[in-house]
Amino acid sequence: GDSVTQMEGPVTLSEEAFLTINCTYTATGYPSLFWYVQYPGEGLQLLLKATKADDKGSNKGFEATYRKETTSFHLEKGSVQVSDSAVYFCALSDRNQGAQKLVFGQGTRLTINP
Amino acid sequence: NAGVTQTPKFQVLKTGQSMTLQCAQDMNHNSMYWYRQDPGMGLRLIYYSASEGTTDKGEVPNGYNVSRLNKREFSLRLESAAPSQTSVYFCASSRTGGSGQPQHFGDGTRLSIL
Repeated sequence: GDSVTQMEGPVTLSEEAFLTINCTYTATGYPSLFWYVQYPGEGLQLLLKATKADDKGSNKGFEATYRKETTSFHLEKGSVQVSDSAVYFCALSDRNQGAQKLVFGQGTRLTINP
Repeated sequence: NAGVTQTPKFQVLKTGQSMTLQCAQDMNHNSMYWYRQDPGMGLRLIYYSASEGTTDKGEVPNGYNVSRLNKREFSLRLESAAPSQTSVYFCASSRTGGSGQPQHFGDGTRLSIL
């Protein structure tokens, strides 16, 4: 079945550092790819998405490019802030289904120190 | 701007007790979902409803039942709670169809089974 693998955390960085969180996937079809973010005590929020190969999703300074050849969707940000501290989830959904069932990676906890 | 509302936020049960988790969305979405979140495992789909009147099993349905009461409401029932069902439960909703429809999540129900 479909699966998503994320780099293990936790990840701790200093403010203004460069961030990369790796995500690779296995899927039989042509999935859509997502990054969700979860702040403490809250539900997940969509951060960005890409629906086809070579698409780049971006939001709030975060970017990720859908790489079909390497089955990857790595999350990057050039200069992180303390407010970026959260848990980040990579996910995929099978675009051929009416209901967008999501398959999640295990999550990566990010802590940014001032 | 309620979005997806889950009740209750916290609950403690004894083994063998039953309970229903409530979820309602006000975004006129066709599809609704129930996930559980466990440490190190991301979110796993329990049940989903592609549209009013339909429900289907997800990855981990054993021990749970669901009811799509109407377009707005989707409840999750534990008939005989077990300690293995201690988890954080999230309800989500989305539009149906097309690729890359994002899901909107509630803030979760933290459930402890003693």
